[in-house]
Order: sequence, then structure tokens, then C-alpha cells
Amino acid sequence: TQLLEQSPQFLSIQEGENLTVYCNSSSVFSSLQWYRQEPGEGPVLLVTVVTGGEVKKLKRLTFQFGDARKDSSLHITAAQPGDTGLYLCAGGKGTASKLTFGTGTRLQVTL
Amino acid sequence: GAVVSQHPSWVICKSGTSVKIECRSLDFQATTMFWYRQFPKQSLMLMATSNEGSKATYEQGVEKDKFLINHASLTLSTLTVTSAHPEDSSFYICSARGSFQETQYFGPGTRLLVL
Repeated sequence: TQLLEQSPQFLSIQEGENLTVYCNSSSVFSSLQWYRQEPGEGPVLLVTVVTGGEVKKLKRLTFQFGDARKDSSLHITAAQPGDTGLYLCAGGKGTASKLTFGTGTRLQVTL
Repeated sequence: GAVVSQHPSWVICKSGTSVKIECRSLDFQATTMFWYRQFPKQSLMLMATSNEGSKATYEQGVEKDKFLINHASLTLSTLTVTSAHPEDSSFYICSARGSFQETQYFGPGTRLLVL
């Protein structure tokens, strides 16, 4: 069974703090997606990374794909309450395959 | 960006009735659509994969006769929960993917409550 383990499972921080979420697997993926989901809504795509070692930045969010394409990280700088939500990583193994979703990281940012 | 809609956004029904949920890709052709179920505070659980014009592929443990999926066009897939029971109450989310893509774009979800 393909598994994507995310850590931490839950994180509660104050506004302004930095944090990193990890997504790890023993499998190699051809792409890695990060989504954010708010309560009662569907996941919203944040980024797709496809190259080993690739780093992408989206404002205060920095995404990295591991060199071996087995893991990924999401770093948030100066977190804001609007960053609160469930963060999901998802790995792909080709255009004919389904995504393997991570276990999720629930982030809560308080004032 | 790619936009996916779902209808209805929430539905309440009596036990024993059937409920149909629609998933539409609004600005791209979705050769493949996926249906997920999500329990509170958990990640997504894939129920089935549907390709336009062919039968859906169901994940292990998902009853194909209970969860009927139709993907008749490149922009529309439907999930019908037949003879719904309270244990079918959940948050159902669809996603869509275009040709030669790995990234899936999600709909806003449908919350189903069976009384």
C-alpha cells in the first residue's frame, strides 16, 4: 500500500510564527501536489512540483520536492489566521494513475 | 485556474431514498473524474475513478450498486447514492483531471445527511 505520512498531524501556533509541514513516503512520485482545505469546502490546489529538488514559492509559502522525489515540505513564514486549515499532500505516479493522499496536517493559527 | 462545481452543496434526505450529486468541470475537459468521501477531521478516501464514456473503477470495499457513477460527457459526472441510509451521511467531494495531467482540481463538496 502506498502511504504518504504527514507530520505533524496537528499544529496550533500564534500569528507571526513560522512552521514546516512534512510529507514523507518510501515510494517515488512523478509529481507532488499540496492542497489546503477549509471546513465544509473542497481542497484548493496550492502547488504542483514535479522535479526532484524543486523549490516553489507562493507568497509566504515555500514548497520543496525532495531530491529523490519521495518527500516534500511546506514552510510557512509569518503565519496568519487565514492560513488555518487542513493541509494535504498528494503524490502522483503518471497521468493514468490516481493520487495518493497524505494523512493531513491540521493547522490552527491564532491571534 | 481550473474550476470544478458540485451540486447540490448540501442535501438532507429520508432513509431509503436516492440522491444524485453532480460534478462539473466548468472551464476544461475532464477526461477523468474522481469521487471521494471524507469523514470528519480525516483525509480524503477515494471511492471511484471514472473516465468519460466508460464504466467507473471502484476502490475495494465500495459497493458499486450503491454508489452509481456516470461520466457521460467531458464536463459532467454524477454520483447517485441509492437507497441511502444514515451511515451514508458524509461529505462527498469530486475532482477532475484533464488529459495527460496528474493534478486534480476539486469541487466544493456536497454534504449529505440521511435521516
